[in-house]
Amino acid sequence: EDQVTQSPEALRLQEGESSSLNCSYTVSGLRGLFWYRQDPGKGPEFLFTLYSAGEEKEKERLKATLTKKESFLHITAPKPEDSATYLCAAEDTGRRALTFGSGTRLQVQP
Amino acid sequence: GAGVSQSPSNKVTEKGKDVELRCDPISGHTALYWYRQSLGQGLEFLIYFQGNSAPDKSGLPSDRFSAERTGGSVSTLTIQRTQQEDSAVYLCASSKQGGGNEQFFGPGTRLTVL
Repeated sequence: EDQVTQSPEALRLQEGESSSLNCSYTVSGLRGLFWYRQDPGKGPEFLFTLYSAGEEKEKERLKATLTKKESFLHITAPKPEDSATYLCAAEDTGRRALTFGSGTRLQVQP
Repeated sequence: GAGVSQSPSNKVTEKGKDVELRCDPISGHTALYWYRQSLGQGLEFLIYFQGNSAPDKSGLPSDRFSAERTGGSVSTLTIQRTQQEDSAVYLCASSKQGGGNEQFFGPGTRLTVL
């Protein structure tokens, strides 16, 4: 059974304090690893897709990396507007639906 | 361009009633997904449509849940004889094709069963 685990559940940072969010996944074959951002009361907003170990993608203060067992979302010098829940999801080669982790709630204080 | 839209945004119903939730995917997207997000939990897959293929219903929690997609576009999720445990946010997503492509989500429908 596919499984995605995110840690920590919640993270509080000071503005400018860099950190990383972890996503561990277990799938029979990885088609893609997805990161989303979700603000309260809204649907998830797509951030990145990673397809193979060693791949990295960047967008503004965010960088996502992938290994054969984990993905990391690195946040460099975060700002209060980066506060949100970050969701990780894996797509197995055997099915089209995404298996989501329970998310990391990030709060960045000014 | 327009994103995924869902209606209603909020639905309050009484236990035992039937409800219908609607999803309008992004124009040109052939794949459509329904997920459920319960309070404090991750998104749970419900059903997947791809073009004219038979839908993947493997995530539907019971036979009270059903969904259809008409004309390869709009989809309706129906929950019959609602129960309190059905209370959740129901999210719809679409993608260009199934398989490795990013899914774009709608704002969701918050369902409350009293």
